[in-house]
Amino acid sequence: AQSVTQLDSQVPVFEEAPVELRCNYSSSVSVYLFWYVQYPNQGLQLLLKYLSGSTLVKGINGFEAEFNKSQTSFHLRKPSVHISDTAEYFCAVSGVGGNKLVFGAGTILRVKS
Amino acid sequence: GAGVSQSPRYKVAKRGQDVALRCDPISGHVSLFWYQQALGQGPEFLTYFQNEAQLDKSGLPSDRFFAERPEGSVSTLKIQRTQQEDSAVYLCASSSRDLDGAQYFGPGTRLTVT
Repeated sequence: AQSVTQLDSQVPVFEEAPVELRCNYSSSVSVYLFWYVQYPNQGLQLLLKYLSGSTLVKGINGFEAEFNKSQTSFHLRKPSVHISDTAEYFCAVSGVGGNKLVFGAGTILRVKS
Repeated sequence: GAGVSQSPRYKVAKRGQDVALRCDPISGHVSLFWYQQALGQGPEFLTYFQNEAQLDKSGLPSDRFFAERPEGSVSTLKIQRTQQEDSAVYLCASSSRDLDGAQYFGPGTRLTVT
């Protein structure tokens, strides 16, 4: 079984500042890792995914994440945020081969001007 | 559009009514998933289809929940005798054959049971 912990429920940040959203996971098997973004009243949009290979993964909208196996983490970063990045972000894990996703509780990113 | 679509987007049901939620996956996607997202929570897995076969229904919360995908394309999630705790957003996702694990989500159906 897998589980995901998102360490911050809300992260306030000023526009153009850097941000890191933290995610830790637990699993007894090899995993795929994902970050999704959810805007109000919308479904989930895939930001990026880690399957294998390079531990630094680049995604859409300038986001990137780094897989750290020893620390079982997959933190999401952006060097300079925009107002439009205000949304809820979900970290998710699945077993290798692709099956059901297990999600964290989400982190609300609030970008202030 | 080429994305996952769901209908209705909003559904209000009186306690005890039956509801049916529809999902149209991305064309050609063999895998289809249903998730339940309660207010302020992350989505939770309900069930999974590969083509028309329901391979995992371990997340369905009770026998009042039933899902089908008879022709391996459109799927319907049915909830019988709805209760207030069923109020949530129901998300559908599909993924392709290449097993990269990426699931693409629809906009969801917000179910409110009064």
